[in-house]
Amino acid sequence: DQQVKQNSPSLSVQEGRISILNCDYTNSMFDYFLWYKKYPAEGPTFLISISSIKDKNEDGRFTVFLNKSAKHLSLHIVPSQPGDSAVYFCAASVSNDYKLSFGAGTTVTVRA
Amino acid sequence: GAGVSQTPSNKVTEKGKYVELRCDPISGHTALYWYRQSLGQGPEFLIYFQGTGAADDSGLPNDRFFAVRPEGSVSTLKIQRTERGDSAVYLCASSLRSGRGYTDTQYFGPGTRLTVL
Repeated sequence: DQQVKQNSPSLSVQEGRISILNCDYTNSMFDYFLWYKKYPAEGPTFLISISSIKDKNEDGRFTVFLNKSAKHLSLHIVPSQPGDSAVYFCAASVSNDYKLSFGAGTTVTVRA
Repeated sequence: GAGVSQTPSNKVTEKGKYVELRCDPISGHTALYWYRQSLGQGPEFLIYFQGTGAADDSGLPNDRFFAVRPEGSVSTLKIQRTERGDSAVYLCASSLRSGRGYTDTQYFGPGTRLTVL
């Protein structure tokens, strides 16, 4: 059963605009959340993470928001750049665990 | 420094054959993970090594799958009697596992694309 869900398989955004990617989870034990970015023929690359004690974490153009009551997190990319075109995976784990549970991914295309 | 490397990058085999997939983790990383990514899906956990021992192999789909890490560095994922449903990208990741409580960042290799005809 899918414990992490990314319901939007794709997103197209104009360069310079905001990209918002969404992720929902069902397992209330999850307390650590990550976003990975993946280019074709490469492995996923860690982007940003957030623990459940926070509701926001920012790193440059990337901000992750966590809403624990809704079991929902989102990734904001501002401003979007052509190099951001990739597949983005949401992942979650229990902090003392090692297994990552991934969503199916969202393909982002940034248009010039 | 060098990242996680995986060989081969592509493997085509026939149904019923045996395959081995290799992973070289980042030097100094004690933890090693295998994931499998099927088409249109995210990576799914297979097995986790801490040092030489398999600490958790609960994600292996059946007893045709086996993995080893004899010296605590390189790992080999072994699949016996391959089936068409085994076709996927097999990803390896490694992490420091510093034991601080939070999940250490897992660094992924480029994967091995396995095709079973």
